[in-house]
Amino acid sequence: DSGVTQTPKHLITATGQRVTLRCSPRSGDLSVYWYQQSLDQGLQFLIQYYNGEERAKGNILERFSAQQFPDLHSELNLSSLELGDSALYFCASSVAIRGDNEQFFGPGTRLTVL
Amino acid sequence: AQTVTQSQPEMSVQEAETVTLSCTYDTSESDYYLFWYKQPPSRQMILVIRQEAYKQQNATENRFSVNFQKAAKSFSLKISDSQLGDAAMYFCAYRRWGTDKLIFGTGTRLQVFP
Repeated sequence: DSGVTQTPKHLITATGQRVTLRCSPRSGDLSVYWYQQSLDQGLQFLIQYYNGEERAKGNILERFSAQQFPDLHSELNLSSLELGDSALYFCASSVAIRGDNEQFFGPGTRLTVL
Repeated sequence: AQTVTQSQPEMSVQEAETVTLSCTYDTSESDYYLFWYKQPPSRQMILVIRQEAYKQQNATENRFSVNFQKAAKSFSLKISDSQLGDAAMYFCAYRRWGTDKLIFGTGTRLQVFP
């Protein structure tokens, strides 16, 4: 158990819908990262938040957005869902001290878009 | 842009034997980190081993060791005394020093036979 929690574990929805994935980082970790793992794109970095502010952005679609709240939990919002958004979405957290910065991954949320 | 390549989609090994998984990367940076992550059927991403590019000595963690060849941009993982529990997807990942974004390879599926 990495200490990072993600809810829900599984999510099944229809095209065009909107969903919210939730992540709680390890105690003491200020940074949260979102990754997408899909069959065709592999594991891709989406976005990083540090202490409530966006720090880095990767291959995140405009239909997707994220935020980190004052209690440091984070939410990833996916809207206008398409079949290709079906994937495993990982959240990771770290202390985020520049240099030595191990990321601990949550168990993931499996999203299926029908 | 940095890229990570894992040229072996699948590998197999007999229990108690040794196997080596290959990884090459492309970067113009001199300071970076390299990682091997394990993803068992549970889908949890587990850090196996890490290597700092400035360290000449190869990292080892129990039965896991790496062969880091900086000039060749090669970072292979050796698993000794393979166990059934080692069966998983293994991902090689790169992170540039001063950033937090992980760049992953496409993974190698390792099967372990009794």
